[in-house]
Amino acid sequence: GAGVSQSPSNKVTEKGKDVELRCDPISGHTALYWYRQSLGQGLEFLIYFQGNSAPDKSGLPSDRFSAERTGGSVSTLTIQRTQQEDSAVYLCASSLAGGAPYEQYFGPGTRLTVT
Amino acid sequence: AQTVTQSQPEMSVQEAETVTLSCTYDTSESNYYLFWYKQPPSRQMILVIRQEAYKQQNATENRFSVNFQKAAKSFSLKISDSQLGDTAMYFCAFPNAGGTSYGKLTFGQGTILTVHP
Repeated sequence: GAGVSQSPSNKVTEKGKDVELRCDPISGHTALYWYRQSLGQGLEFLIYFQGNSAPDKSGLPSDRFSAERTGGSVSTLTIQRTQQEDSAVYLCASSLAGGAPYEQYFGPGTRLTVT
Repeated sequence: AQTVTQSQPEMSVQEAETVTLSCTYDTSESNYYLFWYKQPPSRQMILVIRQEAYKQQNATENRFSVNFQKAAKSFSLKISDSQLGDTAMYFCAFPNAGGTSYGKLTFGQGTILTVHP
């Protein structure tokens, strides 16, 4: 079946613009995670969804970052007034349920470049 | 909170040989899981192998096996008969077992493995 998909695969934007990153999880997966991968910070957690709710938003770096999930499926990560330090690869993962035993299936990521 | 440390930024190995990647972690939990993920140049992270802490036996998946030492909080990955397709970045990861961050992964810094022909 289809895996996790993300769009766009690459995004170049000017500093100060808003961007939206999309994640389509595997059908039936109730848990969805966003991570950010950058050279300086490595791989870091951003936010976790269980269904449409986000029990843990602790990894969002500032109030310029927000995310939502609708219909227990598609999720959108929005970055407002982008800054150069937001340049990174944004990875989305889904799993059958939230929890340690469940494998997380990752998408190919969106590479964001802020100029 | 748990921490995960990979002390080898880069490793290289000849095709068909064996290589071991190291990972240490710190946690106060008694029962947990540990994962190794592979990230090839395509960027797509793939689960390589998992270990349940309460299991004494080390996990094995084909050419991949782990050496899990719970007391030492060590979780190394051994790749036997290395193949060119094993070239990738490898991450050790620790999922949260509970609370509001259920399943959230804490990753090590990663080890870039290059397999030479």
